[in-house]
Amino acid sequence: EIVLTQSPATLSLSPGDRATLSCRASQSVSSFLAWYQQKPGQAPRLLISDASNRATGIPGRFSGSGSGTDFTLTISSLEPEDSAAYYCQQRYSSWTFGQGTKVEVK
Amino acid sequence: EVQLVESGGGLVQPGGSLRLSCAASGFTFRNYGMAWVRQAPGKGPEYVSAIGDSGANTYYGDSAKGRFTISRDNSENILYLQMNSLRVEDTALYYCAKEMGRRQPFDYWGQGTLVTVSS
Repeated sequence: EIVLTQSPATLSLSPGDRATLSCRASQSVSSFLAWYQQKPGQAPRLLISDASNRATGIPGRFSGSGSGTDFTLTISSLEPEDSAAYYCQQRYSSWTFGQGTKVEVK
Repeated sequence: EVQLVESGGGLVQPGGSLRLSCAASGFTFRNYGMAWVRQAPGKGPEYVSAIGDSGANTYYGDSAKGRFTISRDNSENILYLQMNSLRVEDTALYYCAKEMGRRQPFDYWGQGTLVTVSS
């Protein structure tokens, strides 16, 4: 099973700051890496597919990069509504999720 | 508008069974793969099972193999998950999710149905 390790576990930043979230795979997943946002009491929401493709309706401040084993989700200028948990997911071999990064914007 | 509405969750004793359903609308159900993803309280999502658009191909995560069965009714636009031999560790919110395309990420999710396994 491919294990995804996300870091940091928690990120506490201010509005307007840049957030950089990391996801590392235990083996190469090529570019088959997605990112989801989940707010309390809600289902996950797809942000990025195939490492860098923004999903429909996702604001331009969200961007993804990376390939192989190292991936990054960047939120260029944080808004208060970006407070959420963020999960990476690979689909190279079956599907697995990372354990998440909680972003607090205050 | 795409809608996925799960049902069938509840409280069950260890060793018991439940069948979850997911009613889909707002898209051509028979054209898309579907999946079940669960999330235990305070934890990240965990892939449970997936099924191809026709229902001919099914996939299971390690936690579901041998105990859970995924199926679909393309005439009624319903996805199912039959869960047998339930364990305490199966306690979670179970989401139904739609694939963007064949083995693509999940672009739509339901709101989930809660399964609690406890004596």
